[in-house]
Amino acid sequence: DAKTTQPPSMDCAEGRAANLPCNHSTISGNEYVYWYRQIHSQGPQYIIHGLKNNETNEMASLIITEDRKSSTLILPHATLRDTAVYYCIVRVVFGGRGYQKVTFGTGTKLQVIP
Amino acid sequence: NAGVTQTPKFQVLKTGQSMTLQCAQDMNHNSMYWYRQDPGMGLRLIYYSASEGTTDKGEVPNGYNVSRLNKREFSLRLESAAPSQTSVYFCASNGEVETQYFGPGTRLLVL
Repeated sequence: DAKTTQPPSMDCAEGRAANLPCNHSTISGNEYVYWYRQIHSQGPQYIIHGLKNNETNEMASLIITEDRKSSTLILPHATLRDTAVYYCIVRVVFGGRGYQKVTFGTGTKLQVIP
Repeated sequence: NAGVTQTPKFQVLKTGQSMTLQCAQDMNHNSMYWYRQDPGMGLRLIYYSASEGTTDKGEVPNGYNVSRLNKREFSLRLESAAPSQTSVYFCASNGEVETQYFGPGTRLLVL
């Protein structure tokens, strides 16, 4: 699996967009970018994933650069409940066979400030 | 649909005692995982199971054993607990598009 690099911490004002960067310069062509978050020692929660194109769902948007060496997770209107540790990981998708060894790093601690 | 459940939620052991952490998922997922998380650190993979009947070591398997009892259940056993195994343990299963679903965690304190 490719390694990822994230800033250890970030602050964001409530109501503003939170932009969390991730560097994955050694990503392979068949590796996807996934984002998870962990709120106050709960189990991590899946947010979004993508391969090449930008993706959006009800929680967030994912912007992947054209060379795929970095990505940004965007929380469009951060709330206090978005305060969490955000993990960026890259992994291969085995066509639904469901076999995958996943490595999490230390993530970015996002603090949303009132 | 309960997702991934773990028992117990919290446990205190003395050094040398044994225990089994239980994990079950009701989403019909094939692969399951055990992680540990220490303060200020990310998740570290202990063991994983690609499918019923198979298990493989992760990053930090020493001191642990696992059993994939059936498709639903994946247990983690500490044969002789050590203070270094004080941690929060998370179980997860792999769903569609390889997304992982995590349980609420088991907080283990070894004295």
